[in-house]
Parts: sequence; structure tokens; C-alpha cells
Amino acid sequence: GAVVSQHPSRVICKSGTSVKIECRSLDFQATTMFWYRQFPKQSLMLMATSNEGSKATYEQGVEKDKFLINHASLTLSTLTVTSAHPEDSSFYICSARLVHEQFFGPGTRLTVL
Amino acid sequence: GENVEQHPSTLSVQEGDSAVIKCTYSDSASNYFPWYKQELGKRPQLIIDIRSNVGEKKDQRIAVTLNKTAKHFSLHITETQPEDSAVYFCAAPPPLVFGKGTRLSVIA
Repeated sequence: GAVVSQHPSRVICKSGTSVKIECRSLDFQATTMFWYRQFPKQSLMLMATSNEGSKATYEQGVEKDKFLINHASLTLSTLTVTSAHPEDSSFYICSARLVHEQFFGPGTRLTVL
Repeated sequence: GENVEQHPSTLSVQEGDSAVIKCTYSDSASNYFPWYKQELGKRPQLIIDIRSNVGEKKDQRIAVTLNKTAKHFSLHITETQPEDSAVYFCAAPPPLVFGKGTRLSVIA
């Protein structure tokens, strides 16, 4: 089956620093990847759609200058949380599309102190 | 964009009973409707999906029904077991927009 990996699985950082999260499709090429955020006891909220070779499309209310997305290859998308603050602490999950289905990475738990 | 409503938010059933979770969607162009099970701290796991050209799909104890006219689809779990306890999400594309989730508790 289609496998999506994410790195790191957990990260703790100080307020004001930047954190990069990588999402890789391991056995298929993904022209489109998605980034979600999930706060405790809540649903997955779509943050942005990442398109290989072009700019990401952000959902309403998501700051594109704070959440930088780069999709430079068909198997890798990165999300950089810039100037992280405690309210950015969350579970970040990427997803890669293959035909109709979306395959999810294992998630990255970000804690900002 | 797509809007997905899911009910109920919590559901408790006795072991062996059936559980039903319902979702409605807004975008009539949506043609793929997956259901996910998520355990604490883990990624969502696809448990069943249905495409718009069929009205029902079954996989052992799990079934999904779709009513495109009414724009709603439902998850049915029969003969529930304690290991079915988790949070379940419906979703509709594109891209996948999730319902708020249903916390299912199966009481032994």
C-alpha cells in the first residue's frame, strides 16, 4: 500500500524559534499533499494544499507567512512553523493524494515552550 | 468550500449492539466518502469508503450507506466489540474535509 512518512514524530522548541516538518511519500509520487492540524479532542483541520512546483493554497485563517510550505519534489513536502508560539502546539499531520484516496503520515507532535 | 457535519459527537453502546454515525456534506460535486478511525495520538486509519456510484458498501461488521440526493452518508458497525472504541471521522473531498468526530465507547 501507499506509505507516507513524517519527520520528526515529536519536537519541543522554545517560543520564537522555527520548526521544519517533513512529509514524504515513500512508494509513490504525489503532486498534491495536504497539511492538517489537530488540537486535543478536536478534528483534523485542513491548513493548506501543497502543490509540487507551485505555491501552496492556504485555507482561510491560516497565515501563509507563518506556516511556510515547500513542495520541491514529487515525494517531499515541508512545513515550517516560523516564530513558533505556545498556541502553535498541536499535532500536525500531512497527507498525500493518490488518485482518489489520501494517505496520512504518522503525525508530528509539536510542543512550543 | 465543503462543509461536513457529523453526529453524534459521543456514542456509548453495549458490546454486541450496533452503532450508527451520520454525516452530511454540502458540495454536490463530492464523489468519494471515506470513514476513518483514530486512536489517541495516532494517524487516522481508513476503515471503509464509498464512491458516489454506489449506495452501500459492506466489509464484515462495517458498512457505509450513501444518499446523494440528501447529501448524507452513514457508518454502521454491527456486533460492536471493545476494540471498536475510538474516535471516528467522516470526510468528503476535495480535498478531504473532516467532520468533528464521534467518540465511540463500547461497554463490555
